[in-house]
Amino acid sequence: RKEVEQDPGPFNVPEGATVAFNCTYSNSASQSFFWYRQDCRKEPKLLMSVYSSGNEDGRFTAQLNRASQYISLLIRDSKLSDSATYLCVVNTGNQFYFGTGTSLTVIP
Amino acid sequence: EPEVTQTPSHQVTQMGQEVILRCVPISNHLYFYWYRQILGQKVEFLVSFYNNEISEKSEIFDDQFSVERPDGSNFTLKIRSTKLEDSAMYFCASRMAGGVGAFFGQGTRLTVV
Repeated sequence: RKEVEQDPGPFNVPEGATVAFNCTYSNSASQSFFWYRQDCRKEPKLLMSVYSSGNEDGRFTAQLNRASQYISLLIRDSKLSDSATYLCVVNTGNQFYFGTGTSLTVIP
Repeated sequence: EPEVTQTPSHQVTQMGQEVILRCVPISNHLYFYWYRQILGQKVEFLVSFYNNEISEKSEIFDDQFSVERPDGSNFTLKIRSTKLEDSAMYFCASRMAGGVGAFFGQGTRLTVV
């Protein structure tokens, strides 16, 4: 069973749209949770941490549901510059487990 | 803004040769990692390093791989005898203590021919 599962997409949305990504993780002992963004052939960049209380950073809102082992990311008012792969990342023990990523393309 | 730096950005090597990939983590970080990403695939864990020793390693990190933190600033990954399937982007990452995310370097693209 995969540690972290994501819908690979692709998601193609018009500028200004709201888009949501979901992710599930298998290990209930996982300690911390993140969304990263990866542009083509670049390094993963930390977008935000994810907490059970939910957290917001501008147009981005992340939510963690520990009971169902589910993580979400909502992007409001999509910009062309949001086009990237979004990686769900879970910290368990001494490593970070990466999902396969969800590809987003924002269309003019 | 402090960042993780990796050198070289691209390395081409012949099969069977040794390579050393170099990383300078962010200076006040305590935990260090190597990951790799084969083109078109997901980011895979290789090894984590804390307090001058390996804290966890994956099945990929076999006897051909080793890590060192020789001087308190550099963090290196050595592959002793490269194989074609070692061709990938190798990312170094570091983080502070606590449940914080890791920051990744720009990667070294290793091509084994």
